[in-house]
Amino acid sequence: EPEVTQTPSHQVTQMGQEVILRCVPISNHLYFYWYRQILGQKVEFLVSFYNNEISEKSEIFDDQFSVERPDGSNFTLKIRSTKLEDSAMYFCASTKRRTAYSYEQYFGPGTRLTVT
Amino acid sequence: DAKTTQPTSMDCAEGRAANLPCNHSTISGNEYVYWYRQIHSQGPQYIIHGLKNNETNEMASLIITEDRKSSTLILPHATLRDTAVYYCIVMAMDSNYQLIWGAGTKLIIKP
Repeated sequence: EPEVTQTPSHQVTQMGQEVILRCVPISNHLYFYWYRQILGQKVEFLVSFYNNEISEKSEIFDDQFSVERPDGSNFTLKIRSTKLEDSAMYFCASTKRRTAYSYEQYFGPGTRLTVT
Repeated sequence: DAKTTQPTSMDCAEGRAANLPCNHSTISGNEYVYWYRQIHSQGPQYIIHGLKNNETNEMASLIITEDRKSSTLILPHATLRDTAVYYCIVMAMDSNYQLIWGAGTKLIIKP
C-alpha cells in the first residue's frame, strides 16, 4: 500500500540554524500539507500546496517558513532560523483530490525536530 | 476552534465494541464529519467520513443522528492496537479545506 514517507525521523539543531524537513507524498496525489504538533498539544495546520504554489497557510507559517516541491516526488519544509518554540513533531500529508466528500488525508510518520 | 466536542478519554475492553461519541450541534447542511486517529507518536490516520447516512468500511462504522448534531464512531471488535487518540472533525464543501483538530478522545483498550 502506498504511503507518505518523511526524513529524517529525528532532527536536532541549534537555535538560529536552518533546517529542511523532507517528505515524499503518495505518487498520484496532487495536494500536499504540513502540520506540526508540539508535544502534548493539538495538531496544527501550517500550509497546503497545490500546483507548485501555496494554497493556504496559517498564522504559524510566517516568513521563517517556506515550502517547495523541487522535483516530481519530494515536498520540503524549510525553517530559516529555528527557534526553541519550533521544537515539535512535523507531519506531512497528501491527498489525491480536494472535495469535502472525498478528502482523506494520508499522513507520514513525522519528523521530530528538537531545537537546542 | 474545533466545532466538535468529544469526551477526553474512554476505556474499552479488548474484543468489545468501542463507541466514541462526538457532538457537532452547530453543524451545517454542507458539512461532512471526518474521523481520524493518532496512535502514540505516529502520524494521524484517516478512518471514515460521512454526511448524513451511516457509513461502514473495513476499519469502523459511523452512525450520524438524523438531526446530524452528533455522531458515533464504532470500532466493532477493539484490539490493543486501537489504543489511540480519536479525532472528530467537521468540514464544509466550500471550506478552505483546513483540518481543524480538537483535543480528541483518548481511547484505551484494556486486555
